[in-house]
Amino acid sequence: AQSVTQLGSHVSVSEGALVLLRCNYSSSVPPYLFWYVQYPNQGLQLLLKYTSAATLVKGINGFEAEFKKSETSFHLTKPSAHMSDAAEYFCAVSKGSNDMRFGAGTRLTVKP
Amino acid sequence: EAGVVQSPRYKIIEKKQPVAFWCNPISGHNTLYWYLQNLGQGPELLIRYENEEAVDDSQLPKDRFSAERLKGVDSTLKIQPAELGDSAVYLCASGVEGTYEQYFGPGTRLTVT
Repeated sequence: AQSVTQLGSHVSVSEGALVLLRCNYSSSVPPYLFWYVQYPNQGLQLLLKYTSAATLVKGINGFEAEFKKSETSFHLTKPSAHMSDAAEYFCAVSKGSNDMRFGAGTRLTVKP
Repeated sequence: EAGVVQSPRYKIIEKKQPVAFWCNPISGHNTLYWYLQNLGQGPELLIRYENEEAVDDSQLPKDRFSAERLKGVDSTLKIQPAELGDSAVYLCASGVEGTYEQYFGPGTRLTVT
């Protein structure tokens, strides 16, 4: 069975600082990995996905993530945080059958 | 392109009452999901449809929860009777089989008093 662990339920950064949200996965087969963002009172929006092509994946809003098989990680980064990035971020893993498992989420706070 | 539509957005009911949630997926999406999201947690799958067939309902508490997707388009999720522990956000998502992408609706926030 596949699962993800998001390290840190809450991350706080200053505006303009690097954003790093951590995600480690467990999967018995080559995984498909995703990052979603959720703004208050809204559904989840796909930021980016890894589906066994390039290991460095670029997404929307300046975010990117790198798939590291040796570390079983798929951390999300953004070079410079913006106030509008404040939201809840979810990492998810799928084994390819549209069966997706989500992490518990990381709440990102951006300080002015 | 219209997104996934859910209604109602908010619902407050007393325990032991029935409640129903409705979802209209993105046009052309054959896969539909219902998720439960508790406060501070990630979504947890309740049921997945491919067209009108429920292909994964292993996490659906069948003693009180039911779902249907007539004609393979709209779907309804029902709880009868509701319990205090059912208070959560119920998310609907849709996608195209094989693309591994899911598009989420805004959710229905249920409060059971």
